[in-house]
Amino acid sequence: EIVLTQSPGTLSLSPGERATLSCRASQSVSSSYLAWYQQKPGQAPRLLIYGASSRATGIPDRFSGSGSGTDFTLTISRLEPEDFAVYCCQQYGSLPRTFGQGTKVEIK
Amino acid sequence: EVQLVESGGGLVQPGRSLGLSCAASGFTFDDYAMHWVRQAPGKGLEWVSGISWNSGSIVYADSVKGRFTISRDNAKNSLYLQMNSLIVEDTALYYCARRSMVHGSDTRGPFDIWGQGTMVTVSS
Repeated sequence: EIVLTQSPGTLSLSPGERATLSCRASQSVSSSYLAWYQQKPGQAPRLLIYGASSRATGIPDRFSGSGSGTDFTLTISRLEPEDFAVYCCQQYGSLPRTFGQGTKVEIK
Repeated sequence: EVQLVESGGGLVQPGRSLGLSCAASGFTFDDYAMHWVRQAPGKGLEWVSGISWNSGSIVYADSVKGRFTISRDNAKNSLYLQMNSLIVEDTALYYCARRSMVHGSDTRGPFDIWGQGTMVTVSS
């Protein structure tokens, strides 16, 4: 099983600032099949990024993903008020599908 | 509108059974593989099970293997999860999710549509 470790656990930033979130895998993620999701309280997860770096339909270009192998990054170039949420990575290259524990981006 | 709506959650005693349903609308259900994902209170997401479009391929997390059964009825645009021998650790919000086809014919993909979830509480 691939274990995904996200860091930091919490990121305290102000609107307009840049957010950089990390997701590290315990072994190489097949075909860079790594996704990022955003989850707000009381809501279902929303797909942001797939294939490590491709934006899902309707996702603003301030969200970008990068990385390969075992190290992946989600970057939010300029935080908007609606971006404060929990972000979770998922690998879907192998079974079982696994998720990271999440990074909370909170308002400073 | 593309939509998934879960139902069937509730309070159940340890060792008992419960069945969940997920009704799909707004897309061609039998084109897509479907999955169940759960989230314990205050915790992260945990993948539970997945089923291919024609039920020909079914997979489970080790934590539920032998206790949970996933199934689907394409004629009814519905996904199901039968949960037997429930334990306290199964307490969670259960989401059904659609597996995206962004990678074409590859059977692997992220989850692009999620329901709002149905809560299962296992307690005596």
